[in-house]
Amino acid sequence: GAVVSQHPSWVICKSGTSVKIECRSLDFQATTMFWYRQFPKQSLMLMATSNEGSKATYEQGVEKDKFLINHASLTLSTLTVTSAHPEDSSFYICSASLAGRPETQYFGPGTRLLVL
Amino acid sequence: AQSVTQPDIHITVSEGASLELRCNYSYGATPYLFWYVQSPGQGLQLLLKYFSGDTLVQGIKGFEAEFKRSQSSFNLRKPSVHWSDAAEYFCAVGAGGSNYKLTFGKGTLLTVNP
Repeated sequence: GAVVSQHPSWVICKSGTSVKIECRSLDFQATTMFWYRQFPKQSLMLMATSNEGSKATYEQGVEKDKFLINHASLTLSTLTVTSAHPEDSSFYICSASLAGRPETQYFGPGTRLLVL
Repeated sequence: AQSVTQPDIHITVSEGASLELRCNYSYGATPYLFWYVQSPGQGLQLLLKYFSGDTLVQGIKGFEAEFKRSQSSFNLRKPSVHWSDAAEYFCAVGAGGSNYKLTFGKGTLLTVNP
């Protein structure tokens, strides 16, 4: 149980285009989902926290207009990287916590983004 | 604010040897503590967690960790390492509140020699 999927697993795009990444909780309802960014050989840095039906809370230094997060249902959150640039290339990982069990996060497999 | 320190960037052990990965945390209250494992190009898998109670917690794949409040530590151990254990290991501390945000250490890369 507690499986989280991400789609796509990897994506290559041209500079200036927008890319959408989906995060789904497959077998549970997730009231809270988290988006992380991981640079090569680095730790995970929390970008934002999203609660179903409300606006995401962004960490300091994360541009909310560039990284659009939508959490429209209890099983789906999306991250859209708008007007992507090469410096946005990274590994993006989402996680989700069970409704009523916020203390434990279950992680997706990640999405590798390469912006040319 | 909470923080996590994993002093060892890279550890190499022989298959069958014992393993201990160190983790120290800083948090004002009783922490929620986690160990995650990440294989190359993959997401994170939860190995074990500590919230309260018995300070020695058992996890999956034969791992265990011990919470020592006096040392602000939560070290991960395994008595006999398998080649498949080679991966990156992350210790994390969770804050309370409404969202339980996680703060991760920088990770320890484990290499297993045959």
